[in-house]
Amino acid sequence: GQSLEQPSEVTAVEGAIVQINCTYQTSGFYGLSWYQQHDGGAPTFLSYNGLDGLEETGRFSSFLSRSDSYGYLLLQELQMKDSASYFCAVKGETDKLIFGTGTRLQVFP
Amino acid sequence: KAGVTQTPRYLIKTRGQQVTLSCSPISGHRSVSWYQQTPGQGLQFLFEYFSETQRNKGNFPGRFSGRQFSNSRSEMNVSTLELGDSALYLCASSSTGFWENTGELFFGEGSRLTVL
Repeated sequence: GQSLEQPSEVTAVEGAIVQINCTYQTSGFYGLSWYQQHDGGAPTFLSYNGLDGLEETGRFSSFLSRSDSYGYLLLQELQMKDSASYFCAVKGETDKLIFGTGTRLQVFP
Repeated sequence: KAGVTQTPRYLIKTRGQQVTLSCSPISGHRSVSWYQQTPGQGLQFLFEYFSETQRNKGNFPGRFSGRQFSNSRSEMNVSTLELGDSALYLCASSSTGFWENTGELFFGEGSRLTVL
C-alpha cells in the first residue's frame, strides 16, 4: 500500500525552530510537497522537493532524501501565526497526490 | 485574481439523500481535483478532472461521482448518503496536471457536509 507518516502533534515556543518529519512508502515517486492549513481554512502550498536536498523559502525550508524515503519541513523563527496543521503530500506514479494525516503545530508565547 | 470557490460552504443532509457540491477553479486552471478531509483520515483523494475528462480516481465507492464542464467548473455528487460521509470536501485547481508542475495545488475553503 501507499502511506505517509507524520507526527500527529508538535509543540514549540515563539522564536524556536521546529522540524516536522515525513516518511513515505509509495509506488513511484515524483516529488514531496508541504501544505499548511489553519483551522477552518484551506490548505495552502508551502514548498515542493522533486530532487534530493534542501529548498528554502523564507522562514520555511524543506528537505528530501529519496534514498531514505524521507523528508522534513523546517520552520524557523516560529511565530504564533504558524500554529496550524502541516501536511506532506507525495506525487506517485499513479499521478495522484497522497497526503499524510497531518501534524498539528502549536506555538506558545 | 479570484481563488478557488466552493459552494455551498455548509450543508446538512440525512442518510439516504444525495448531495451535489460545486467548485469554480482559478481562471485559466484546467485541472480540478477533489479531496475528502476527516479528522481520522486526513485528506483523501477522490478524483481529478482535466479538460472535462476524469484522469484519476481514488478508492471511493461508486456513490461518489463527479464531472467537469467546458468552463472548468466541476461538481461532485454523493448519492445515498451515509453517516460516514460527513466530512470537509475540498476542491483544488492547478493550471495543468499537478504532475507537470511543482506539485502546487490551490485549494478552496471546502464544503462541510454533515449527514444526520
